Amino acid sequence: KAGVTQTPRYLIKTRGQQVTLSCSPISGHRSVSWYQQTPGQGLQFLFEYFSETQRNKGNFPGRFSGRQFSNSRSEMNVSTLELGDSALYLCASSLAGVSNQPQHFGDGTRLSIL
Amino acid sequence: AQKVTQAQTEISVVEKEDVTLDCVYETRDTTYYLFWYKQPPSGELVFLIRRNSFDEQNEISGRYSWNFQKSTSSFNFTITASQVVDSAVYFCALSEAYAGGTSYGKLTFGQGTILTVHP
Repeated sequence: KAGVTQTPRYLIKTRGQQVTLSCSPISGHRSVSWYQQTPGQGLQFLFEYFSETQRNKGNFPGRFSGRQFSNSRSEMNVSTLELGDSALYLCASSLAGVSNQPQHFGDGTRLSIL
Repeated sequence: AQKVTQAQTEISVVEKEDVTLDCVYETRDTTYYLFWYKQPPSGELVFLIRRNSFDEQNEISGRYSWNFQKSTSSFNFTITASQVVDSAVYFCALSEAYAGGTSYGKLTFGQGTILTVHP
């Protein structure tokens, strides 16, 4: 069974640009969550999508947005990039996003802002 | 609000030593789930175990064991006879069951413990 696939693995952008990250969940999983990982703040929850709807959102500015498609694939967009957005962005999928279901993570996209 | 604390930032052991990783959590929910994840250098978080708040039976799986104590809000993880391949960052995480919409797809992670096993 294929795992969670994130593309691209690495990205280098400059301040003010925008970026789109992609995540393909495990087949059959309908919930996709996104996390930001930085050395200072650790792993922080960004948002969760289920059946093309955002059901939950973490404490991040509106520059961070996402969407989910009918095949459960998800994209995350960050606009007007800031230096502080440099991080590893991790996507995770689960069957339905409820609390007792383990989330399975991808390898992440490492975003560097110059 | 929920919170997970892993007080040990880094642990260094020699191969074959036993090592315990500590995790303390805070939550107002009576039903919740606790997880341990392992993050090797490649970056992917690997799911290791899940425990629910109403089952305090401890578990052993091969070289891994987990000690869940609700009275002290702790969920500790022990590796017996550690190996170099166990070197990774280990995260403890919490998911609340009855936080309503704010619980969907959300794990609250501790800061992680870097485990280095030397040959």
